[in-house]
Amino acid sequence: DSGVTQTPKHLITATGQRVTLRCSPRSGDLSVYWYQQSLDQGLQFLIQYYNGEERAKGNILERFSAQQFPDLHSELNLSSLELGDSALYFCASSVEAGPYNEQFFGPGTRLTVL
Amino acid sequence: GENVEQHPSTLSVQEGDSAVIKCTYSDSASNYFPWYKQELGKGPQLIIDIRSNVGEKKDQRIAVTLNKTAKHFSLHITETQPEDSAVYFCAASDQGGYSTLTFGKGTMLLVSP
Repeated sequence: DSGVTQTPKHLITATGQRVTLRCSPRSGDLSVYWYQQSLDQGLQFLIQYYNGEERAKGNILERFSAQQFPDLHSELNLSSLELGDSALYFCASSVEAGPYNEQFFGPGTRLTVL
Repeated sequence: GENVEQHPSTLSVQEGDSAVIKCTYSDSASNYFPWYKQELGKGPQLIIDIRSNVGEKKDQRIAVTLNKTAKHFSLHITETQPEDSAVYFCAASDQGGYSTLTFGKGTMLLVSP
């Protein structure tokens, strides 16, 4: 158990809908990352937050947004869902935001868009 | 941006054999190279990492080597065991003080008893 929690574990929804994925980082970790894992694209970095502020952006679509709240939990919002958004979404956390900080991954949320 | 290539995509070995997974990266400024292991139904977990000022690092049965000139790094697992069966990901971290990781597409390692 990494100490990172993600809810829900599974999510099934329809195209065009909007969903929110939630992540609670390890106690004491200030940085949160979101990743998308699909069979054809592998593990892709979406976005990073550090202590409530956006720190870095990766291949995140405009239909997707995220935020980190004062209690350091984070939410990833996915809107106007398409079939291709079906994937595993991982949250990870680290103590700081620097390059050598180990990232601890949560168990993931499996999103299925029908 | 950074591009990380990983080979092979699948690797089958017999218990006790060694396994080698290779990765290449494109950005010469990358300076941190972690390896993650992902077991079925779980998130990736860091197993070993190496910084650009080091050529080799070992931790019991696993080792990582880095060739900065050639821009490639490898994971070596010796005396493989069935519990080593998992998907392994290499990654590279870009420069500039951030810790964003670019991952390879993964290697599924199967260790047969």
